[in-house]
Amino acid sequence: NAGVTQTPKFRILKIGQSMTLQCTQDMNHNYMYWYRQDPGMGLKLIYYSVGAGITDKGEVPNGYNVSRSTTEDFPLRLELAAPSQTSVYFCASSSGLAAGELFFGEGSRLTVL
Amino acid sequence: GQQLNQSPQSMFIQEGEDVSMNCTSSSIFNTWLWYKQDPGEGPVLLIALYKAGELTSNGRLTAQFGITRKDSFLNISASIPSDVGIYFCAGRLQGAQKLVFGQGTRLTINP
Repeated sequence: NAGVTQTPKFRILKIGQSMTLQCTQDMNHNYMYWYRQDPGMGLKLIYYSVGAGITDKGEVPNGYNVSRSTTEDFPLRLELAAPSQTSVYFCASSSGLAAGELFFGEGSRLTVL
Repeated sequence: GQQLNQSPQSMFIQEGEDVSMNCTSSSIFNTWLWYKQDPGEGPVLLIALYKAGELTSNGRLTAQFGITRKDSFLNISASIPSDVGIYFCAGRLQGAQKLVFGQGTRLTINP
């Protein structure tokens, strides 16, 4: 079972460059999330989606954009990368918050130099 | 935003020892969850709690949903090397569509 798949696993960007982190899930989950995890810290919610065509901001949305055109995919776009965006990014999905269980991808480690 | 205070931030123990960690909040949560993150991996759900006072076990792990609904604890008995990792608590407020995560407890085990 693939579960939640993130690409790329590692990426180095120069300041000001843009890129998209891809996330796809094959569990037919309606809810999808993007978190960032800074060294030694917990998970901070960037954006989330409760279904195709619906997205909402989390705690730290500035500098990011998302779209949800299909149930399976939830890409995260970084515009004008900054060193403060150096982090590990996790995508997660859930069938619905009543169950509470989030399934996480393996993470994408991004470094902005 | 909402915050969960998770403690301790780190633990260094001997193999075979029991471990206890907890999360507290000033807010009332409807759901408490405990996740474990292995190095280089995403978090994986260990235990989910849905009712105040609920006590749930998963092998050597036991977690409880506090009576006040503002706290939860996780115990690990007879620790083994594969218990090493970061443990996160997470909570869901009533009606919320997203979880709030604690800052994690990093567990290190000396053989």
